Parts: sequence; structure tokens; C-alpha cells
Amino acid sequence: ELKVEQNPLFLSMQEGKNYTIYCNYSTTSDRLYWYRQDPGKSLESLFVLLSNGAVKQEGRLMASLDTKARLSTLHITAAVHDLSATYFCAVDMGAGNQFYFGTGTSLTVIP
Amino acid sequence: NAGVTQTPKFQVLKTGQSMTLQCAQDMNHNSMYWYRQDPGMGLRLIYYSASEGTTDKGEVPNGYNVSRLNKREFSLRLESAAPSQTSVYFCASSTGTGARTPFFGQGTRLTVV
Repeated sequence: ELKVEQNPLFLSMQEGKNYTIYCNYSTTSDRLYWYRQDPGKSLESLFVLLSNGAVKQEGRLMASLDTKARLSTLHITAAVHDLSATYFCAVDMGAGNQFYFGTGTSLTVIP
Repeated sequence: NAGVTQTPKFQVLKTGQSMTLQCAQDMNHNSMYWYRQDPGMGLRLIYYSASEGTTDKGEVPNGYNVSRLNKREFSLRLESAAPSQTSVYFCASSTGTGARTPFFGQGTRLTVV
């Protein structure tokens, strides 16, 4: 059974600080996705990581993938309030096109 | 471009009632999915359709049925609703090839009383 674990589940950080969210998964996959969800809203795609060593950056967010360690990270640089949201990682199982999600990390950026 | 459209957005059902959640995508995607989202549990896959004409069970299929009506539409049916099915339901679609990024609808908030 595939498990996708994120930590931390809750993160409260001050504006201007850096932090990393971790996503571990239990089976082989070379594709990983990061999403953002605002309260009461749908999921918005942030990054698609398609191979080992892939790194993507957009603004203050940077995502990376290590398929050997089955680990992806989402690094936040100099956090701002607008980044407050819940962040999900999702793993592509490949065969059958199944996507499995982590439990999410609820991020609150405080002034 | 509408993307993935779900109806209804909100629904209240009584225990034992049935209903169908509708989902349509206009991106010519091959694969479609139904997820439920519950607090602290992330999104769990209920059913998916890798391509038109096929459907398969995901992690939590019990109590649900699906129909892939055509390439655009994928519906989720609750035959006899239970309070445990109170949740937010999301439909998603992906190309099934290439990056395969799933795109999500706006969700249906379902309450079973």
C-alpha cells in the first residue's frame, strides 16, 4: 500500500524566515506534484517534478525531488503572509495513472 | 476555458438518500478522478478512469459507484448516503500522458444528516 507522508502537518512561521516541508513516499515513483489549497478553495498546481534531481522554483518556493530517497522538499524562502495556505504533495503511481496525496501541511505566516 | 466543472457545489442529503455528483472537463483529457477530502486526511482517491470506457477502484471505493459517460464526463453516485460520506468531493482530470498533471474542479461540499 502506498503511503505519502508530509511533515510537518502544521507550520507557523514568521515573515522573512525560511522553512522546508518534507514529503516522503513508500514506493517507486519518478513523478511528484506539489499543490496549494486556500481555505474553501480547490487545489492549484504549483510544481511538477518529473525525474530524479529535478528542481523547480517559482518566487519564494522551490521544490526538489530525490527519487532514490523517495523524498521531495518544498522550501520556502523569506516567507510572506500571502504564502499562508495548505500545501499538498502527490505521487504518480504510473500504471493506471493513479495519484496519491499526502495529508497536507497547513502553513500560517505571521507578521 | 472552464477546465473541470463540478455540480452541484453544495448538497445536503438525508441518510439513505441517493445522489449523483457530476463532473465535466473541456481539456480533452483522457484520465479522470474522484477524490474526497476530509480534515487531517488529505485527499483520498475514490475511483478513477484512466481512459474512456474504463473505471477502477481507488483507496476508498465502498459506498460509491462511477460512470465514465464519455470522454468529457465522469459521474460519482452515492446509492444510499451515510453520515460517514460527509466530505468535500473533488473531481480531477489529466492528460494521461506527458506530465500528467491533474487539474481539479471547484469541489462539492456534501453533508449527510
